[in-house]
Amino acid sequence: AQSVTQPDIHITVSEGASLELRCNYSYGATPYLFWYVQSPGQGLQLLLKYFSGDTLVQGIKGFEAEFKRSQSSFNLRKPSVHWSDAAEYFCAVGPDSSYKLIFGSGTRLLVRP
Amino acid sequence: EAQVTQNPRYLITVTGKKLTVTCSQNMNHEYMSWYRQDPGLGLRQIYYSMNVEVTDKGDVPEGYKVSRKEKRNFPLILESPSPNQTSLYFCASSSRGTAGPASYNEQFFGPGTRLTVL
Repeated sequence: AQSVTQPDIHITVSEGASLELRCNYSYGATPYLFWYVQSPGQGLQLLLKYFSGDTLVQGIKGFEAEFKRSQSSFNLRKPSVHWSDAAEYFCAVGPDSSYKLIFGSGTRLLVRP
Repeated sequence: EAQVTQNPRYLITVTGKKLTVTCSQNMNHEYMSWYRQDPGLGLRQIYYSMNVEVTDKGDVPEGYKVSRKEKRNFPLILESPSPNQTSLYFCASSSRGTAGPASYNEQFFGPGTRLTVL
């Protein structure tokens, strides 16, 4: 069955520190991979996506992610976190047979001053 | 501005009182979908539509109806809401991709509708 696992429910980092959010997926075919961010009271905003090609993808707000097929992972990274990055982050894979995205359960990022 | 809009943003209602949550997109997208978000469960698809008059069930369709009479609109209908439908609802849309018949581009999400059923 297709699934996405985000093993960390909460992560707390200090402002200025580096960040890595983990995402592992189970998917039969070549996946399309996405990271979305949800700020409090807001909808989901696409940070970056991987469809094919270079396995290191750059996104908005200084985020990047690396697709590792051998590890079935698509981890999100940022070299220096800002207080405004505090939000919930969702990894997603798709499409499946109903063209939907399969979401992980999310990782809530807290940023210490 | 390209966007997906939902109304209302917040709704408190009582069990059994029919309600409709509207969703509209101005990007001429073929694909539209409804998700519900519950703590610890991520987002789960309720219904989706590949184009006008084409709709199908997602993972959690029970208690919901949808229609797609126009390309831009995809309302979610709760005929008889129950407390277990208390949730945060998101509408999303995307355009058809170019990487083959089953491909599509990234989904754009509306701001969400927080529904409480008492």
